[in-house]
Amino acid sequence: DGGITQSPKYLFRKEGQNVTLSCEQNLNHDAMYWYRQDPGQGLRLIYYSQIVNDFQKGDIAEGYSVSREKKESFPLTVTSAQKNPTAFYLCASRNRDRGNSNQPQHFGDGTRLSIL
Amino acid sequence: EDQVTQSPEALRLQEGESSSLNCSYTVSGLRGLFWYRQDPGKGPEFLFTLYSAGEEKEKERLKATLTKKESFLHITAPKPEDSATYLCAVHVNQAGTALIFGKGTTLSVSS
Repeated sequence: DGGITQSPKYLFRKEGQNVTLSCEQNLNHDAMYWYRQDPGQGLRLIYYSQIVNDFQKGDIAEGYSVSREKKESFPLTVTSAQKNPTAFYLCASRNRDRGNSNQPQHFGDGTRLSIL
Repeated sequence: EDQVTQSPEALRLQEGESSSLNCSYTVSGLRGLFWYRQDPGKGPEFLFTLYSAGEEKEKERLKATLTKKESFLHITAPKPEDSATYLCAVHVNQAGTALIFGKGTTLSVSS
């Protein structure tokens, strides 16, 4: 089945440690996104990529890094510079618009990151 | 500044008790408004896209409508399985292809 796979489902980070969250899609979508979701807050955009080897910062990019070496993969690294990393992280992808349509983003099932 | 506000934050209904969720927006250049459903511990699931004022979309017990300032998600005769958080998001001209999300409305339907 086509879809977006995020792994791991749960992740624990020690102080001073970088961790990488995986996001893979087999939908052949061009654009991919990373969001952070905190209790009582809406989804906030961390980074997005509209094409391979290109990505842009979102509203809360500080303390995070990404790469887009392959169309199907968009890993997110949470660095030690991110002082409050505990959150639910969601990856999404989107197909290219056709005609007047505005294609929706489709989401994976998230990774919950906690600090040890 | 582009903003999306959803109300109420939480809504409790009895099975069969119809109601509406609101999503109001202040944006420059709306390209599309999206509704999603999110179950606990899961990613959002796409429901509807609305493009212009007056447009309506329906799916089972859900109907989404759009005006120039807000969107409503009407739930007719809800069932317990409709319990979830409903998210509204907008795509605006200046945001590339990224979405701006509201904080969501958490719906609980009891039998």
